[in-house]
Amino acid sequence: NAGVTQTPKFRVLKTGQSMTLLCAQDMNHEYMYWYRQDPGMGLRLIHYSVGEGTTAKGEVPDGYNVSRLKKQNFLLGLESAAPSQTSVYFCASNRQGVMNTEAFFGQGTRLTVV
Amino acid sequence: DAKTTQPTSMDCAEGRAANLPCNHSTISGNEYVYWYRQIHSQGPQYIIHGLKNNETNEMASLIITEDRKSSTLILPHATLRDTAVYYCIVRVGWNNAGNMLTFGGGTRLMVKP
Repeated sequence: NAGVTQTPKFRVLKTGQSMTLLCAQDMNHEYMYWYRQDPGMGLRLIHYSVGEGTTAKGEVPDGYNVSRLKKQNFLLGLESAAPSQTSVYFCASNRQGVMNTEAFFGQGTRLTVV
Repeated sequence: DAKTTQPTSMDCAEGRAANLPCNHSTISGNEYVYWYRQIHSQGPQYIIHGLKNNETNEMASLIITEDRKSSTLILPHATLRDTAVYYCIVRVGWNNAGNMLTFGGGTRLMVKP
């Protein structure tokens, strides 16, 4: 059972380039999230999804787009990368239920924009 | 969600109990206390959560005061592998759209030999 897998693990982009980060979970979870973490800071929510085909903005959505075409995948896109987007990106998922359930996180993608 | 306050850092001797405090004085009646930890920039890991009763699992114990305005996470026998940033998070107990985990700065626990 792989859990939550993020691809790639590391990436260096030039300013203005675009890229897509992939998050895949094999636990049949309905909810998925993208967070970013800057050095010495807590995680901040970028976008989230409560089901296939649905997405919503989190705390810091500007400069990012997301898509959830399949239940198991949640993609985070950077259309025109900026140095301010240098960060570690974490994906998470949890299952839907009446009560909150444990969230599972991926190992992160370290992105540097030069 | 209620705001939480945690010490920035703490030290603990290996083999001793680590007691991590969290203040959440504005917690509402329907909000739970959750604890996650993050080891050396890995993805956060769930530890435990509770509403008003004390909770224990294989990883830790959670003690919530009677007025629910503060809580303590206890790692009974800390090891070097418990060195991490520990996040105390307060959130409503049920799932709905927009009910996400909100991370603050956390407590950096250093377990020393």
